[in-house]
Amino acid sequence: QVQLVESGGGVVQPGTSLRLSCAASGFTFSRHALHWARQAPGKGLEWVAGISYDGSDTYSAESVKGRFTISRDDSKSTLTLLMSSLRAEDTAVYYCARDWYYDIRGQGYLDDWGQGTLVAVSS
Amino acid sequence: DIQLTQSPSSLSASVGDRVTITCRASQGISTYLNWYKHKVGRAPKLLIHVASTLQTGVPPRFRGSGSGTEFTLTINDLQPEDFATYYCHQSYSLPQTFGQGTKVEMK
Repeated sequence: QVQLVESGGGVVQPGTSLRLSCAASGFTFSRHALHWARQAPGKGLEWVAGISYDGSDTYSAESVKGRFTISRDDSKSTLTLLMSSLRAEDTAVYYCARDWYYDIRGQGYLDDWGQGTLVAVSS
Repeated sequence: DIQLTQSPSSLSASVGDRVTITCRASQGISTYLNWYKHKVGRAPKLLIHVASTLQTGVPPRFRGSGSGTEFTLTINDLQPEDFATYYCHQSYSLPQTFGQGTKVEMK
């Protein structure tokens, strides 16, 4: 079955960087768009970024644009989120999710999710 | 960006009740609206996609409807495992967005 396992979370200071990874298995990784979403403490879900099946198209939420970079390595079935210039408001549980569709502009839906990894930004 | 507004933000219900949650979009999104269930510490779970299609394995007591700017999630015969937070999500345009969530609590 589909498995998505996030890793890389932790406690970091404001202004620093962190790399999150999502290891995927149980499906043909290269056929699906992928996304990151997050949930800050006491808040709802927020879509963060998405990447198309071949990595040619990416898009990020305005709140992270220019600071977060989404990428994928199909040879390792791994999705990555490189986060830089971290702020206190980036504190959240970060989830990776598989899109049913191959394109982030394809009006798909997120049919499988990981359990999440916690990022805490604090001095 | 497309804003999704859910109502109510929270509700109290009992096992066996029917629950209705509404999601309104700030502009027309056809039927590109999905619903998820989320429990604290768990992975979100897809319930309904493209407004009204039940995801495989989801019980038929969950029903989605709507198009354009107004959508509804109905849960019939509420079960103990249904107490959770529910989110709508639009994939019509980027950035994709979620509603603020509706928490279904036990009365």
